Amino acid sequence: DGGITQSPKYLFRKEGQNVTLSCEQNLNHDAMYWYRQDPGQGLRLIYYSQIVNDFQKGDIAEGYSVSREKKESFPLTVTSAQKNPTAFYLCATAFGLAGYNEQFFGPGTRLTVL
Amino acid sequence: AQSVTQLGSHVSVSEGALVLLRCNYSSSVPPYLFWYVQYPNQGLQLLLKYTSAATLVKGINVFEAEFKKSETSFHLTKPSAHMSDAAEYFCAVSNQAGTALIFGKGTTLSVSS
Repeated sequence: DGGITQSPKYLFRKEGQNVTLSCEQNLNHDAMYWYRQDPGQGLRLIYYSQIVNDFQKGDIAEGYSVSREKKESFPLTVTSAQKNPTAFYLCATAFGLAGYNEQFFGPGTRLTVL
Repeated sequence: AQSVTQLGSHVSVSEGALVLLRCNYSSSVPPYLFWYVQYPNQGLQLLLKYTSAATLVKGINVFEAEFKKSETSFHLTKPSAHMSDAAEYFCAVSNQAGTALIFGKGTTLSVSS
């Protein structure tokens, strides 16, 4: 079954803790993306990666970090430096450049900071 | 710079009525434009995309959108709303390098019986 898996679906974190969100894909897509979604704000790009071992900052990268050691995996770490991390986080992939091709989205992870 | 504006954060229609969701874009290069739909607590799904091949683009579930360069618009329409169309809709434009999408803030569509 081809697709994108995000885990966990719900995540609770205490203030001051780092937390890592998982994104795995078996679509054999080169490009992977992390978005943050807040009510009424649309999707905002955090980081993206077009190839293994390379990634670029998006519009709101501060307080986040990523790695791309394998083509299938693009984990996102929300650090304690992120001041307002409560949000819905979406991972996406694309075959080729996402500006020209369809993006495929995972089901999302809802992060709540207690 | 590329940007997208979706007019109306919330649109309400009756079942069977015309659906019109508005999107205006700004782009310094010929744009690639997309409409995505999101059902509650799920990821986004592509409805349709414009890639300059034709100005009227047909998508899934009878949705279509017309690219109007003179108006810098890419409005989404459906002739007859169905209850299952209730969702949030996002318009997006490619960034200048083509490496990512810039999304609008979304329009929530409600359908009443």
